[in-house]
Amino acid sequence: DTAVSQTPKYLVTQMGNDKSIKCEQNLGHDTMYWYKQDSKKFLKIMFSYNNKELIINETVPNRFSPKSPDKAHLNLHINSLELGDSAVYFCASSQEGQLAGSNYGYTFGSGTRLTVV
Amino acid sequence: GESVGLHLPTLSVQEGDNSIINCAYSNSASDYFIWYKQESGKGPQFIIDIRSNMDKRQGQRVTVLLNKTVKHLSLQIAATQPGDSAVYFCAETLNTGFQKLVFGTGTRLLVSP
Repeated sequence: DTAVSQTPKYLVTQMGNDKSIKCEQNLGHDTMYWYKQDSKKFLKIMFSYNNKELIINETVPNRFSPKSPDKAHLNLHINSLELGDSAVYFCASSQEGQLAGSNYGYTFGSGTRLTVV
Repeated sequence: GESVGLHLPTLSVQEGDNSIINCAYSNSASDYFIWYKQESGKGPQFIIDIRSNMDKRQGQRVTVLLNKTVKHLSLQIAATQPGDSAVYFCAETLNTGFQKLVFGTGTRLLVSP
């Protein structure tokens, strides 16, 4: 049973399209995140939601809109895709007050590789 | 073998050697640090953590050293195995409130049999 699952795993799309990536966690965590990993493997946080409320927004373009229908889900919608959006996007979850390194403290999904052509 | 993990360098070692992966962190206020291992096609996986009130912590085959004076972390892997081949990241955070992880650049470790 996967703790943090993302779909799809691979996404190839044309410039200008709109696409969504879904994330679900079954750990009972109250906080979820989106991270972006570029071609040089650099990982950077994009957004964080705590109990469906946006708490971190790291100057990401408005074309990116996260949506959290409940605390177990955090989806990422991207409008008007650009070549520079090509990256691997990771979803993660954690529990407020719990050390990130504790058992299932901060857990990452396996990533969605987005390729914009 | 040893590396400085600022521009995704590659550290190549022989199986059985000890590996040292280094990381410079950015925020002197950070009080909690984590090392992650990322294998190809997977997300980062927790290896070991350390709080800022410690300077050393040991796990199974891994040791993390923290030098707050120069904002430096290192990960030591004893008796490196081919299964240790991966990209390793350090991450820093303020252990208060919601945990925004700030990742270092990463180091690729290649272990040859």
